[in-house]
Amino acid sequence: DIQMTQSPSSLSASVGDRVTITCQASQDISNYLNWYQQKPGKAPKLLIYDASNLETGVPSRFSGSGSGTDFTFTISSLQPEDIATYYCQQYDNLPPTFGQGTKLEIK
Amino acid sequence: EVQLVQSGAEVKKPGESLRISCKGSGYSFTSYWISWVRQMPGKGLEWMGRIDPSDSYTNYSPSFQGHVTISADKSISTAYLQWSSLKASDTAMYYCARSPPPYSSSWGLFDPWGQGTLVTVSS
Repeated sequence: DIQMTQSPSSLSASVGDRVTITCQASQDISNYLNWYQQKPGKAPKLLIYDASNLETGVPSRFSGSGSGTDFTFTISSLQPEDIATYYCQQYDNLPPTFGQGTKLEIK
Repeated sequence: EVQLVQSGAEVKKPGESLRISCKGSGYSFTSYWISWVRQMPGKGLEWMGRIDPSDSYTNYSPSFQGHVTISADKSISTAYLQWSSLKASDTAMYYCARSPPPYSSSWGLFDPWGQGTLVTVSS
């Protein structure tokens, strides 16, 4: 299985801050990388697909970049409603695998 | 609106059997695959397997092969996840999620997700 390593595991930031999460794959996955947001007690929600494409209806403050093994997820200006855990997920090979998650909190 | 609605929370004893469901609406149920994802308490997301509702062909993660069974009834747009003998370690939230078929370049894109079914196994 392809291992996905996210960092940091948790992050505390202030409203308005720029927030960056990284995700590293154990092998080249091209751009087959998605990002999900999971708010407490809720199901995950797709935010970014194929590394850099914003899902319809998702605010433009969210963005993604990268290819190969190294990927970045950015919130340009953190809002209170962004409090959640964020997961990267690869689908270059079966089984699709997720990073361990990054829990984002407001400082 | 595309929607996946899952069955309600379950409390079971070790050794009991269980089947939970995921009903799709707002789209052609046989045009997309359904995956099941486990989230153990306080932990991350694990892909368990998927099914093609058009012919019930399945793929399983090696970690879950033989421990669960995924099935579907296309006549009622519903997919299922089933255990024959539950263990305490099966306690988790289980999500279903829709994805494009394997021949699609976006086969691993999970959207939307069901609301989740909490399964608690305790004696």
